[in-house]
Amino acid sequence: KNQVEQSPQSLIILEGKNCTLQCNYTVSPFSNLRWYKQDTGRGPVSLTIMTFSENTKSNGRYTATLDADTKQSSLHITASQLSDSASYICVVSRNNAGNMLTFGGGTRLMVKP
Amino acid sequence: EPEVTQTPSHQVTQMGQEVILRCVPISNHLYFYWYRQILGQKVEFLVSFYNNEISEKSEIFDDQFSVERPDGSNFTLKIRSTKLEDSAMYFCASNGAPYEQYFGPGTRLTVT
Repeated sequence: KNQVEQSPQSLIILEGKNCTLQCNYTVSPFSNLRWYKQDTGRGPVSLTIMTFSENTKSNGRYTATLDADTKQSSLHITASQLSDSASYICVVSRNNAGNMLTFGGGTRLMVKP
Repeated sequence: EPEVTQTPSHQVTQMGQEVILRCVPISNHLYFYWYRQILGQKVEFLVSFYNNEISEKSEIFDDQFSVERPDGSNFTLKIRSTKLEDSAMYFCASNGAPYEQYFGPGTRLTVT
């Protein structure tokens, strides 16, 4: 079954600290993996997209890694800010699936002052 | 910066009624999608649409649902005979180039 699992479910960190979120997937055949940020009550916003051949990609303070062999990805957030408080969702797209996306349950991050 | 828009932001309807959720994708995009997110749960794919026809749909997207691109700008999701369990946030998304999908702000549907 095509699934995306994320850990931890929730995380509280202090402003300025770093954190790493994890994603494991069983989606096959694999096309690409995305990380989205979703504020409460809003639509997801793309942070990074990685294809099979890419193993790291950065977007400002966000750095995503991908190990296609072990089917694992991580999102590292550096020097967290209060505005980073949101849900971070790992999403995987299958080949030959018309861009159909399989979403993880997300990690709810709270950054405290 | 162009963005996907959705109307209404919140729709309340009675069980058994029909609702139409509207989306205006980014103007030069060719691929359109609907997703739903039941409160506290994962975002779930409903349907993708390309070249005026459905290209993929999930098992959630049964005969109760239909999509339409009635003109050059709107993309609609119709839910016939709504049920309590249809209460959710419904997100529209679109993309032009491969991979990237831009999501709208969502419509919160409440079925009473």
